[in-house]
Amino acid sequence: QVQLVQSGAEVKKPGSSMKVSCRASGDSFKAYAIIWVRQAPGQGLEWMGGIVPVLGTRNVAQRFQGRVTITTDESMNTAYMELTSLRSADTAVYYCATTSGFNPEASFDNWGQGTLVSVSS
Amino acid sequence: DIQLTQSPNSLYPSVGDRVTITCRASQDISRYLNWYQQKPGKAPHLLISGSTNLQSGVPARFSGSGSGTDFTLTITSLQPDDFATYYCQQSDSSPEYSFGQGTKLEI
Repeated sequence: QVQLVQSGAEVKKPGSSMKVSCRASGDSFKAYAIIWVRQAPGQGLEWMGGIVPVLGTRNVAQRFQGRVTITTDESMNTAYMELTSLRSADTAVYYCATTSGFNPEASFDNWGQGTLVSVSS
Repeated sequence: DIQLTQSPNSLYPSVGDRVTITCRASQDISRYLNWYQQKPGKAPHLLISGSTNLQSGVPARFSGSGSGTDFTLTITSLQPDDFATYYCQQSDSSPEYSFGQGTKLEI
């Protein structure tokens, strides 16, 4: 079973960018799709986007299009999620998770530990 | 976009109670509905996939049902470890996904 380890907490200025990493171990990175979900303080879960590394297929939620870029480095077994033009409303814990692929049967069965990103001037 | 509405938003059950949480979709999503448990400061944990499929290692007191637009998560005989927030999530519109707003079980 794959384990996901995310990069550490960050503090960012409004208008800047953030890039969170998600490293997979214990199984082939190529066997999964990786999705990103965020959770603002005291709020619910919000799906942001995902990638199928073996296909290079990406999808980003409409509300984040133009601000979110999802990439992978297969040699490092790592996925990245970059969010630009940060504002205070982007303060959240960002999670990566695995899923079998972009299909209706998919569920998010392995999760990283989360990365807290705080946006403040 | 498919909207998921959970009810109630919060619940104050006692240990041993039978708990039911509902999730209603804004359109037919067949059985493509998953349930997660989240404890404070922790990542969500998949409990049930495909409306009814209990994940390995999840206690049998958890069960899911439903299809179409109406779904239910049931916990029979609530245990102290079950106090958490529960989220439904739809995958019918893959690769676009969405979550319900969550239901918090509070002591």
